[in-house]
Amino acid sequence: QKEVEQDPGPLSVPEGAIVSLNCTYSNSAFQYFMWYRQYSRKGPELLMYTYSSGNKEDGRFTAQVDKSSKYISLFIRDSQPSDSATYLCAMSTGNQFYFGTGTSLTVIP
Amino acid sequence: KAGVTQTPRYLIKTRGQQVTLSCSPISGHRSVSWYQQTPGQGLQFLFEYFSETQRNKGNFPGRFSGRQFSNSRSEMNVSTLELGDSALYLCASSTDPGYTEAFFGQGTRLTVV
Repeated sequence: QKEVEQDPGPLSVPEGAIVSLNCTYSNSAFQYFMWYRQYSRKGPELLMYTYSSGNKEDGRFTAQVDKSSKYISLFIRDSQPSDSATYLCAMSTGNQFYFGTGTSLTVIP
Repeated sequence: KAGVTQTPRYLIKTRGQQVTLSCSPISGHRSVSWYQQTPGQGLQFLFEYFSETQRNKGNFPGRFSGRQFSNSRSEMNVSTLELGDSALYLCASSTDPGYTEAFFGQGTRLTVV
């Protein structure tokens, strides 16, 4: 079983839709949770970072962590074509990062 | 504040050759990690350096090596290149090895022919 599981998609939504991206994990030692956005042929860009259960909001993006269920989510409100990218979840024990394989998202105008 | 800088951006090498990639972390960051990204495998951890010492190493053959200099800049080397080494190589920097946040460079796209 992989440390971090992420549905690769692809996910295609109309502009303005609410997008939900999810990852599950098996290691209860994970303390830090991150979401990265990666455009084609670019490096991953840190979007959200949290270290506790609950929600964290930044503009149109909300990161949610449920440690009891070992489940994290990223919600994108009012999705835009510029949100089309691959989204990677990442987790850390404080000693090493573990990445999901990424979910490819396309927002259709 | 300058981001993580990786050079070169693109490389084409022949099987059997060796290659050296460079990474300059964000100013003040002392931890540098390297990853290999391929469409099928996602991000695979190669190794991590902090204060010129390798702290962690992923499950890659000994052909993959790295080092870090006193100014925190890091290099990775791949010897005896194989076709399967074609990938995007990403470097990430963070302030310390606590792995709380990491910032990536644009990557070096290596093609082995």
